[in-house]
Amino acid sequence: AQKVTQAQTEISVVEKEDVTLDCVYETRDTTYYLFWYKQPPSGELVFLIRRNSFDEQNEISGRYSWNFQKSTSSFNFTITASQVVDSAVYFCALRGGTGTASKLTFGTGTRLQVTL
Amino acid sequence: DSGVTQTPKHLITATGQRVTLRCSPRSGDLSVYWYQQSLDQGLQFLIQYYNGEERAKGNILERFSAQQFPDLHSELNLSSLELGDSALYFCASSVSVRMNTEAFFGQGTRLTVV
Repeated sequence: AQKVTQAQTEISVVEKEDVTLDCVYETRDTTYYLFWYKQPPSGELVFLIRRNSFDEQNEISGRYSWNFQKSTSSFNFTITASQVVDSAVYFCALRGGTGTASKLTFGTGTRLQVTL
Repeated sequence: DSGVTQTPKHLITATGQRVTLRCSPRSGDLSVYWYQQSLDQGLQFLIQYYNGEERAKGNILERFSAQQFPDLHSELNLSSLELGDSALYFCASSVSVRMNTEAFFGQGTRLTVV
C-alpha cells in the first residue's frame, strides 16, 4: 500500500520568511513519482512539480525548491522569501503501481498562512 | 486555468436525490480521474477511466457510478445522496495512464446535501 504523510497540519509565517513543508512517503514500488500540488483559497488544485524515484537532484524554480531524499523517503518543499500569495494548502502526492492503472495518493495537506 | 472543465461549480440538493457531475478533460488527454475531497477523509481517489474504459477503482461507493464517453468527457453519478456525501468533487485528466504523467485538476464541484 502507498502512503503519504504530511505531519505539519498548519504553518504560519511572516512574509519574507523561508518555510519548508515536509512530506514523507511509503511505497513498495521501485519506480514511482512524487508530486506537489497547491490548493489556494479559490479551491482548485494546481500542479507544481513532478519528480521520479530515480532522480534525486534537487530542483529550484524561482522561490520554490524541492529536496528529494530517497534514503529517508522524503520529498520536502521549501518556499524562500514567502509572500502572502503563497497562502494555500499544499499537498504532496505519490503515484506508483504497475500496469496501466496508477492513482495519485495524496497526503492530508499542510495549510500555509503567510501574513504581513 | 488547467484546461479541465467541471460543471456545475456548486450544487445543493436534498438527501435521497441523484445528481450528475460533468467533466471535460484537457484537449488531448485520454485519462480522467475522479477524486472526492472532504474534511474528514481528505483527497480520496474514486475512479479512473482511460479512453472510455474503466482502469482503476478506489474508495467509490456503490451508490456512485461514472463513465467516460466517446468524446472523452466524463460524468460522475451520485445517487441516494446522504449528508455525508457533501464534499468537493474533483476531476483530473492526464494524457496517458503512465505514472510519469501529471494530472491536471479542474476547479471542482462543491456538492452540498441538505
